[in-house]
Amino acid sequence: DAKTTQPPSMDCAEGRAANLPCNHSTISGNEYVYWYRQIHSQGPQYIIHGLKNNETNEMASLIITEDRKSSTLILPHATLRDTAVYYCIVRVGVNDMRFGAGTRLTVKP
Amino acid sequence: EAGVAQSPRYKIIEKRQSVAFWCNPISGHATLYWYQQILGQGPKLLIQFQNNGVVDDSQLPKDRFSAERLKGVDSTLKIQPAKLEDSAVYLCASSPLAGGHREQFFGPGTRLTVL
Repeated sequence: DAKTTQPPSMDCAEGRAANLPCNHSTISGNEYVYWYRQIHSQGPQYIIHGLKNNETNEMASLIITEDRKSSTLILPHATLRDTAVYYCIVRVGVNDMRFGAGTRLTVKP
Repeated sequence: EAGVAQSPRYKIIEKRQSVAFWCNPISGHATLYWYQQILGQGPKLLIQFQNNGVVDDSQLPKDRFSAERLKGVDSTLKIQPAKLEDSAVYLCASSPLAGGHREQFFGPGTRLTVL
């Protein structure tokens, strides 16, 4: 079973920030938070991962709460091409990838 | 850099028939994964290879599914005989190493429809 809880769907206006929440209340100390996304008819694509510090790359920012029980993926300026299903996954290493149902983000013009 | 290649992209068969999918991972990637993604769900890991050895096949229905990775490069996944509930997208992914925090790179998948 997936160890995370995400809302099934969200909408965002084009050009605005998209904030996707994820609850992982049973996360253990050595588990990382990973985010992948899956655009329609494509395979999942890695976005970002982190342990306890906030992380930022060219695609997104990851904010992890101090108690590590939840996190938020931020797409700072969403575009129509960001419409996808976003998966939050907790895992120890590159193994043990267990996907939940994810959040379907729809970016609207 | 070329991505993960999969073929065919689409396959329609009748139940009780056999089917095979092919995957060519990114050059140099030691680890290869097969996932099954049923409509509306996230991908589920079926089997993981490290070079040509199986690391994890705990979720592979071994009575009908088989997979091999000859010479530690290409891989094939076979279903024999297929059932209606096998209708899904079969995704192949690869990563440079097992362990550590290496992202997995996914192919476009093969969409299987069993009638």
